[in-house]
Amino acid sequence: NAGVTQTPKFRILKIGQSMTLQCTQDMNHNYMYWYRQDPGMGLKLIYYSVGAGITDKGEVPNGYNVSRSTTEDFPLRLELAAPSQTSVYFCASSYYSAGEELFFGSGTQLSVL
Amino acid sequence: GDSVTQMEGPVTLSEEAFLTINCTYTATGYPSLFWYVQYPGEGLQLLLKATKADDKGSNKGFEATYRKETTSFHLEKGSVQVSDSAVYFCALRYGGATNKLIFGTGTLLAVQP
Repeated sequence: NAGVTQTPKFRILKIGQSMTLQCTQDMNHNYMYWYRQDPGMGLKLIYYSVGAGITDKGEVPNGYNVSRSTTEDFPLRLELAAPSQTSVYFCASSYYSAGEELFFGSGTQLSVL
Repeated sequence: GDSVTQMEGPVTLSEEAFLTINCTYTATGYPSLFWYVQYPGEGLQLLLKATKADDKGSNKGFEATYRKETTSFHLEKGSVQVSDSAVYFCALRYGGATNKLIFGTGTLLAVQP
């Protein structure tokens, strides 16, 4: 099993550009999450999904959009990139049961210049 | 709201030294508590967890006990190795069945031979 796969690993954007961070998992997990990690700030939840067709906002959703058309995929869309979106982005997934372990991808390092 | 506070890093130890990383939490009710570890260039991995008061989570020589009276979940290891060098995150589960986590800011551990 590949687990949680994120692409790309690194990306540099110019202010105002758009891009999609891809995330796919092969563990048949219902729940998927997007977090961003800023230095000294821990991880903050951007969006999450409890199943195909269902998404909801986390702590810091502004400037991002998500969709969940299949169980496997949970892409994160950045529209009109801003320097404040420079961060490391992690996708994670888990089984539906409360308290289950989250499995993380290896991250996407994004710089907006 | 719910929150997690963990000790500032970096923590620098010699091999075979005793490790303690402090973690305290604020939450309504009795959340599940977790320690995740992030090795350089990788995503987070679950290290251990505890789901109720007085539970002790353990894995790879690391231990943490869920202390309701002091709202703490301190991470300990009796003898650290160079391979333990990583960033350690304390986290609590909130949001009912959606498995959302709140993370602390992370503590960098550097173990020197």
